[in-house]
Amino acid sequence: NAGVTQTPKFRVLKTGQSMTLLCAQDMNHEYMYWYRQDPGMGLRLIHYSVGEGTTAKGEVPDGYNVSRLKKQNFLLGLESAAPSQTSVYFCASRPLGLAVEGQYFGPGTRLTVT
Amino acid sequence: GENVEQHPSTLSVQEGDSAVIKCTYSDSASNYFPWYKQELGKRPQLIIDIRSNVGEKKDQRIAVTLNKTAKHFSLHITETQPEDSAVYFCAASIRGNQFYFGTGTSLTVIP
Repeated sequence: NAGVTQTPKFRVLKTGQSMTLLCAQDMNHEYMYWYRQDPGMGLRLIHYSVGEGTTAKGEVPDGYNVSRLKKQNFLLGLESAAPSQTSVYFCASRPLGLAVEGQYFGPGTRLTVT
Repeated sequence: GENVEQHPSTLSVQEGDSAVIKCTYSDSASNYFPWYKQELGKRPQLIIDIRSNVGEKKDQRIAVTLNKTAKHFSLHITETQPEDSAVYFCAASIRGNQFYFGTGTSLTVIP
C-alpha cells in the first residue's frame, strides 16, 4: 500500500496563477482532509470530505476549492494564487469511526507564491 | 469553533529526563484527542490518542492524560532519547469530523 500520496511535492506559482493539488489514498478511507501548515501556527484545516461527492469547509477555506469525485482522490484548487497562500499543504485521510487509529498524513506539498 | 492552546512552544530536556506538553481546549463537545510527532521535513505521525471516556492511556514511554472537567490534556514522555527530538502537536476533535490542532512544541533532547 502506498498510503496517502500527494502531487506535486514542490511548486512555485506567480500571483494570480491557478493550480490543483492532488491527494490520493489506497486505504479505502471515508474521510479526507486538506491542511496548511505555517510556521508557529500548527496545522489548520482548509476543507474536508466525509465521503465521495461530499465536501465541507474547515477553519481557513477562503481562496481554496475542493472536489471529491472519487473516493480515493481529494483535489485542492487555488483559482488565483496569492502570496498569503505560500505554505506547506498536507492531505490526510482516516477510516469511518473513531474506534480505529487517527489520521494518516501525506508527505506534503511545499507551495511558494511569488 | 474549537480553540486548542499548547504549551510550551519549545522544550529542552536532558536525555533520560521526562518531558511534559500540555494542551487546553474550549469546546466541551470534543471527544477525541490525538497527539502527533513531526520530524523536520516529514509528515505528522500519530503517536498516541485518547478518547473522552478514558482518563489516561500509556504506550511504553509515552502517556497521555485527560481532564475533561478542566478541559486539558497532556503528553508525558519518560526516559527521553535523542530520537524523541521533534515537533509535537496536540489536537481535539468532535466525533472526528474536524480536527483542531495546537501550535506545536519543539522538543530537543540533549545527549
